[in-house]
Amino acid sequence: DVKVTQSSRYLVKRTGEKVFLECVQDMDHENMFWYRQDPGLGLRLIYFSYDVKMKEKGDIPEGYSVSREKKERFSLILESASTNQTSMYLCASSLVTGGKNGYTFGSGTRLTVV
Amino acid sequence: KQEVTQIPAALSVPEGENLVLNCSFTDSAIYNLQWFRQDPGKGLTSLLLIQSSQREQTSGRLNASLDKSSGRSTLYIAASQPGDSATYLCAVMGTASKLTFGTGTRLQVTL
Repeated sequence: DVKVTQSSRYLVKRTGEKVFLECVQDMDHENMFWYRQDPGLGLRLIYFSYDVKMKEKGDIPEGYSVSREKKERFSLILESASTNQTSMYLCASSLVTGGKNGYTFGSGTRLTVV
Repeated sequence: KQEVTQIPAALSVPEGENLVLNCSFTDSAIYNLQWFRQDPGKGLTSLLLIQSSQREQTSGRLNASLDKSSGRSTLYIAASQPGDSATYLCAVMGTASKLTFGTGTRLQVTL
């Protein structure tokens, strides 16, 4: 069964900490994505990547950065965590652009910044 | 900019009823439309994917239709069960493989 695995289900971090959220997929997918999900705002795209070492800003990249050193791994980095980054973070992957290919999501990381 | 709307925002039905969830989108230039299910505090599970050239897809008790020209999709759930209770999200794939999501329909199926 194909999978997208997020390293942590729950995280609690302090304001100002540097936070790493890890995502690994075993499907040899080219595309990987990071979303955050907040009540009333839905899912919003933070960053995405088409290939190793490539990254593109999504709709809300401020306060975040990403790293993709290997095809299977896409990391989201909060350089200096703030309370407004408390959220559910969802990672997804897909094959290259094409109507046949959908997204596969991980189980999410609930991050609380105190 | 693509906008995706789901109506209703919440729905409660008794077990056994057939029901329809609606999704509309503003830009018909899409590659596909995907329906997801999300249980509280969990990630998204893909239910059905309809390519832009297709009209519908079926999986078990679920049937999804797509009318790209009018910017509409429906998810039909037959003979609903309490285990169907969840939030249902539709999402359209546009350029650069990016998905745009609706805000979801929260479904509760009661005994």
